[in-house]
Formats: sequence, C-alpha cells, structure tokens
Amino acid sequence: NAGVTQTPKFQVLKTGQSMTLQCAQDMNHNSMYWYRQDPGMGLRLIYYSASEGTTDKGEVPNGYNVSRLNKREFSLRLESAAPSQTSVYFCASRSGQLGTGELFFGEGSRLTVL
Amino acid sequence: AQTVTQSQPEMSVQEAETVTLSCTYDTSESDYYLFWYKQPPSRQMILVIRQEAYKQQNATENRFSVNFQKAAKSFSLKISDSQLGDAAMYFCAYSYYMEYGNKLVFGAGTILRVKS
Repeated sequence: NAGVTQTPKFQVLKTGQSMTLQCAQDMNHNSMYWYRQDPGMGLRLIYYSASEGTTDKGEVPNGYNVSRLNKREFSLRLESAAPSQTSVYFCASRSGQLGTGELFFGEGSRLTVL
Repeated sequence: AQTVTQSQPEMSVQEAETVTLSCTYDTSESDYYLFWYKQPPSRQMILVIRQEAYKQQNATENRFSVNFQKAAKSFSLKISDSQLGDAAMYFCAYSYYMEYGNKLVFGAGTILRVKS
C-alpha cells in the first residue's frame, strides 16, 4: 500500500552540487509529475510525463532535468544546485484520462541549497 | 494560460462553525475539472473534493461542499461544522487536457486556522 514514494525526504546541498530526487509509484499510473512548493506560490509544475518514454516541461523547468526510467519511476535531477532551488519537492502520479483523475502525492522532499 | 487565484491567504473559523474558501480560475476551455486539496502540517496532500465542469450539480463530500459558478469561473469550498482537524493549507486546482497528457494548475493556497 505504498502509493508514491520519494527519496530522500531531506537534503542539504552546497551551491553547484548535483543531486537526483527519486520517485516511484506502484499504482500502474501512466502520468507522473514533479512540483515544487514555495511559500505564497502554491505548487508549481516543473516537469511531467504523460506516459513512459515521454517528458514535457512545466511552468518552471529551468535548472532541472528528468528521466522517466520506466512506468514506475520518474526522477528529477539538479545538475548544479542554486539557492533559488531551495524548496519542497513533490512527486505525484495520476490515474484516468482527460483530466479526470485524482493526483496522488508523495510525502515531499525538503531541499536546502546553501 | 490557465491560472488559479485564491485571494484569501489566511482564514479563521470557530470550531463547529462554517467557513467558505474562495477560488477563481481563468480558462478558455469548456471541459475541465476542479479540485480542492488539503495539506495538513504533515505536508501530505489530500484530495478533499472534485468537480467536473460539465456537471451543474455541486459536489458534496460529508461536511465539504462546493459552490461552482461556471460562468463566473468561481469554485468556492464550504466547510460545515468545522473541526480542529480541518486546520490546514487548502489548495484549489484546475485540470485540463493537453495533447501529451494532462496537468493540474494550483492556486497559492489558503491557510485555515480553527479556533477551539
């Protein structure tokens, strides 16, 4: 009954370091998403993947890359972290087509870039 | 571009009373879906209620109901008989269909405080 699992839950980086946030879902969903949450700005979409093998940019893709490794896994990579990327990151997956399905979220990953 | 606006950064309600959270959105689409999500201090995102734009009847889930005004592009959430456990950040979200998938666009959120 895991749902959406994100790792790590907390991470502190220095400016310029790289890291990858991992996400896996066990609900056989086609669509997966990465959002970031910042105070006063809600959740903003970074990248999404409508299905295995496809990825697309969201509202705030600069400084990030993603990989849809298979149907279960969707990773987010910061190649050269910047303080502006300090945020809480959420992975989500979704059932259904045509905008009907509920988003299922992971527990979030708090990233601090010094 | 589709946008979602929550004009109330914070709201307070007395336990057992009713509170309404506001949400407006901008879209040129005719078919879409609207959601309210709750985020308690645990940070977990929880779906509260969902509304399909083609349905005229307002969605209801126990103490939670919506007032969906399609022409006005308004989607407010009413919480009746408020409980301490309702204290959380509430996000309004809009979903539409794109060629390569569908995306949820979120508002900035409203913090709800419940007073005992």
